[in-house]
Amino acid sequence: GAVVSQHPSWVICKSGTSVKIECRSLDFQATTMFWYRQFPKQSLMLMATSNEGSKATYEQGVEKDKFLINHASLTLSTLTVTSAHPEDSSFYICSARANLRGQTQYFGPGTRLLVL
Amino acid sequence: GENVEQHPSTLSVQEGDSAVIKCTYSDSASNYFPWYKQELGKRPQLIIDIRSNVGEKKDQRIAVTLNKTAKHFSLHITETQPEDSAVYFCAATLYNNNDMRFGAGTRLTVKP
Repeated sequence: GAVVSQHPSWVICKSGTSVKIECRSLDFQATTMFWYRQFPKQSLMLMATSNEGSKATYEQGVEKDKFLINHASLTLSTLTVTSAHPEDSSFYICSARANLRGQTQYFGPGTRLLVL
Repeated sequence: GENVEQHPSTLSVQEGDSAVIKCTYSDSASNYFPWYKQELGKRPQLIIDIRSNVGEKKDQRIAVTLNKTAKHFSLHITETQPEDSAVYFCAATLYNNNDMRFGAGTRLTVKP
């Protein structure tokens, strides 16, 4: 149990376009989902916390107008990178916390974004 | 907020030896400490976790110890195997709190 999927697994786009990444909890409900960014050989940096039915909470330094987060249901959160630029190229990973399983976070497989 | 430091950043051991990774945290209120293993290009996988009401937890070759007074916790892997090679991340947070902070990671290499 506790499977999290993420789509797409990788995307290449031109500078200036927007990219949407989906994060789904497949076999559990998640009122809270998290979006992380990971650069090569670095740690997981929390970008924002996504709460179902309310606005996301962004970490300091993360532009909420650039990284739009929507948590429309208990099993789906989306991250949209608007007007992507080469510096946005990174590995984006979501995680979900199951309502009845305490603090354990289950991670999605990640999305590798390359902006040309 | 919580700040987690992890050492060493890289660790190389011979197959069969033990490996120890240490983390310290800053917020004495933190009470949940998970460890994740991440293989190259893959998702982090929870391998073991511990709550502050216990000092040690073991699962086969993996164990975690916690010293609340000193605010540090460690991951111990015994009888290491090449498939243990990965990046390991520690984390600390309040149980049922959203603010989980990760250490910088330790790249473990187990040489056959």
